[in-house]
Amino acid sequence: DGGITQSPKYLFRKEGQNVTLSCEQNLNHDAMYWYRQDPGQGLRLIYYSQIVNDFQKGDIAEGYSVSREKKESFPLTVTSAQKNPTAFYLCASRPGQGSYNSPLHFGNGTRLTVT
Amino acid sequence: GQQLNQSPQSMFIQEGEDVSMNCTSSSIFNTWLWYKQDPGEGPVLLIALYKAGELTSNGRLTAQFGITRKDSFLNISASIPSDVGIYFCAAGGTSYGKLTFGQGTILTVHP
Repeated sequence: DGGITQSPKYLFRKEGQNVTLSCEQNLNHDAMYWYRQDPGQGLRLIYYSQIVNDFQKGDIAEGYSVSREKKESFPLTVTSAQKNPTAFYLCASRPGQGSYNSPLHFGNGTRLTVT
Repeated sequence: GQQLNQSPQSMFIQEGEDVSMNCTSSSIFNTWLWYKQDPGEGPVLLIALYKAGELTSNGRLTAQFGITRKDSFLNISASIPSDVGIYFCAAGGTSYGKLTFGQGTILTVHP
């Protein structure tokens, strides 16, 4: 079955440590996205990538970094510079620029807790 | 940036009742989407709307793309316990497929 896999489901880190969240898709989608979800605030865009080796900042990119070395993979690193990293992180994908109206497909998320 | 105002924030209803929620924006969008999220899971697409004035149904769900392209509503008829979850509106269709999300409506259905 095609889909988006996020791992791990739960992640715990100490403050000051960088942590990388994995996102892999086998949908052959060109575009991939990272969203952050906090209670009562909906989903906010962190970074997105329209094509391999290219990515752009979203609305809340500070304290995060990404890479897109392969079409299937879009890992997100939460750095120690992120002031409030505890949140639910969602990865999503969609077909490329020619289908800009197509909906996003979401993974099942990673819940990150930093203490 | 662009914002969507989704209401109500939460709803507590009895099984069998109908539900209505809506999203409004000061910006014009080309696409309106409605997602449902179960606890600890990713959002799942319910209905996609691509044309102003469009009314689309998916089983007990009906959604409309407002004629001004600045709003959308979702109705759920004859609610059942498995309708429980968070419902999000999302709008986009402009640059690079980025979506803007509403704050979500938390739906609780009492048997």
